[in-house]
Amino acid sequence: KQEVTQIPAALSVPEGENLVLNCSFTDSAIYNLQWFRQDPGKGLTSLLLIQSSQREQTSGRLNASLDKSSGRSTLYIAASQPGDSATYLCAVYDTNAGKSTFGDGTTLTVKP
Amino acid sequence: GAGVSQSPRYKVAKRGQDVALRCDPISGHVSLFWYQQALGQGPEFLTYFQNEAQLDKSGLPSDRFFAERPEGSVSTLKIQRTQQEDSAVYLCASSLGGFTGELFFGEGSRLTVL
Repeated sequence: KQEVTQIPAALSVPEGENLVLNCSFTDSAIYNLQWFRQDPGKGLTSLLLIQSSQREQTSGRLNASLDKSSGRSTLYIAASQPGDSATYLCAVYDTNAGKSTFGDGTTLTVKP
Repeated sequence: GAGVSQSPRYKVAKRGQDVALRCDPISGHVSLFWYQQALGQGPEFLTYFQNEAQLDKSGLPSDRFFAERPEGSVSTLKIQRTQQEDSAVYLCASSLGGFTGELFFGEGSRLTVL
């Protein structure tokens, strides 16, 4: 059974700092990995989708990398802003299970 | 529509009542998914439709949960004889092409069972 872990569960940084969020998964037979942002009481907003054949994707200040063989993905946020405060979740589409499995997220707080 | 729309946003039910949650996916998206999210946790898969066909319902926690998408567009998740443990946020997502495509989520329906 695919297990997705996100560490740390919570992170607090001062504004302007660069930071890395981690996502690890146990079964490397994945088709893609997607990073989401969730604000309190809201749904999930898609940030980046990485196909299994790709190593990274970039959107603005965000860069996501994928290392299938080691079962890891990282989300790099450059020059963090208070508006980046949210919970960040990763989800992997597991080809064996035929479904997406989510981590429990990392709650980020960026202090002004 | 521009995005995935869910209603109601909030629902309070007495234990034993039936509830129905609606999801209107992005126009043209053939795949539709329901997830359940408990407080402080990631979403858990419930069921998956491709057009009107329910291809996977392995995540439905009991036979009190039922989902349908009769015309391949709007979907309804029904929970019969609600229990307190059913309290959660129910999220709907749609995708242009199958489970392997990018998922787009609605705002969710928060169900509280008293």
